Amino acid sequence: EVQLVESGGGLVKPGGSLRLSCAASGLTFSNVWMSWVRQAPGKGLEWVGRITSKTDGGTTYYAAPVKGRFTISRDDSKNTLYLQMDSLKTEDAALYYCTTLTSGRIDFWGQGTLVTVSS
Amino acid sequence: QSALTQPRSVSGSPGQSVTLSCTGTSSDVGGYNYVSWYQQHPGKAPKLMIYDVSKRPSGVPDRFSGSKSGNTASLTISGLQAEDEADYYCCSYAGSLYVFGTGTKVTVL
Repeated sequence: EVQLVESGGGLVKPGGSLRLSCAASGLTFSNVWMSWVRQAPGKGLEWVGRITSKTDGGTTYYAAPVKGRFTISRDDSKNTLYLQMDSLKTEDAALYYCTTLTSGRIDFWGQGTLVTVSS
Repeated sequence: QSALTQPRSVSGSPGQSVTLSCTGTSSDVGGYNYVSWYQQHPGKAPKLMIYDVSKRPSGVPDRFSGSKSGNTASLTISGLQAEDEADYYCCSYAGSLYVFGTGTKVTVL
């Protein structure tokens, strides 16, 4: 059974930084493309970005609202995905989901970790 | 990249059919056969219901079906059941990135 467990969320001031982690199990993590999706309270889903597998180059791509501020990385030896968030804005406050990404679809979702940005 | 357009709400009685639309552009929905649909119950993570426009993952009832015409994708729920009451989001590949729809709340009357 695939399990994705996010952690690292919390309260941060505008302009601050936070690093989210996602521990994956039940899959061959190194072969899997991964992404982050967020959902502001009471709002819809928003795709944040993705990282390919190392064999596919380990390349990243980001949605326009976070490009230049967020960085996705992975440590295949730890089966862990990361999201480094810098220069945080109030509009970045959301529940952040870690997901797998397979041929154009999001197969599996974690339960999310909540990020609050407030002074 | 703008969010795909979905109706805010759709409702139907048990046993009826409802169809949800998802309108994008030729750069997303119309340009690729990578449209997927997700069901989200309150307080829960989304669940994949349809992928590649019309394919159902294992375990998803065949009451759920998907289609696409031009820049608009559709999700049809036949034989509506109480447990189908949820938010539904479409999502499309848009060339290296993905874009979600605005979401539709399905209410079972």
